[in-house]
Amino acid sequence: DAKTTQPPSMDCAEGRAANLPCNHSTISGNEYVYWYRQIHSQGPQYIIHGLKNNETNEMASLIITEDRKSSTLILPHATLRDTAVYYCIVRVGWNDMRFGAGTRLTVKP
Amino acid sequence: GAVVSQHPSRVICKSGTSVKIECRSLDFQATTMFWYRQFPKQSLMLMATSNEGSKATYEQGVEKDKFLINHASLTLSTLTVTSAHPEDSSFYICSATGQDHYGYTFGSGTRLTVV
Repeated sequence: DAKTTQPPSMDCAEGRAANLPCNHSTISGNEYVYWYRQIHSQGPQYIIHGLKNNETNEMASLIITEDRKSSTLILPHATLRDTAVYYCIVRVGWNDMRFGAGTRLTVKP
Repeated sequence: GAVVSQHPSRVICKSGTSVKIECRSLDFQATTMFWYRQFPKQSLMLMATSNEGSKATYEQGVEKDKFLINHASLTLSTLTVTSAHPEDSSFYICSATGQDHYGYTFGSGTRLTVV
């Protein structure tokens, strides 16, 4: 029970923004939303995380709705190397890190 | 940034033998380490959580006598797959976190093939 729901797959054209949604309707007030991605046969890579405010770093932007029940990861200019499985995780504490099925993003030329 | 080194990256072993996988935090103290298993086209499944100096906490359905986890120092955790069988073939991944390190850093994974 990973507490998040993501679409199983999405396509995106190279150079366009990729918007990956995540529902976490049971999130509690002190839980953060983390995003990781996993490129084939590698360990997951941290992308970004947030609590309630929108966040941006060199990789992506994270938009969290005001009620915190959903969020969107935005890759502003997707490249072929962004093809991966993207995982949205709600962190419940130091000792609980569980993955849902994730979204398989395919960036097409 | 925080780095977690996992070795070996690939291992092939014979059925009935044991295999040890190492997970090291290179530039931070890993108070907690996690071990995952991933079958092809599936998500990561948490196997166990280990805190430095304590016994590991195993997820339901994971045999603690088969998957031995040791976390004796703040920089090293090991997973030993004992008496390996072909069905243990999988991608094993560790991750680590520490008191001054938010988020979780993952190792690069170990592809275990039991023949």
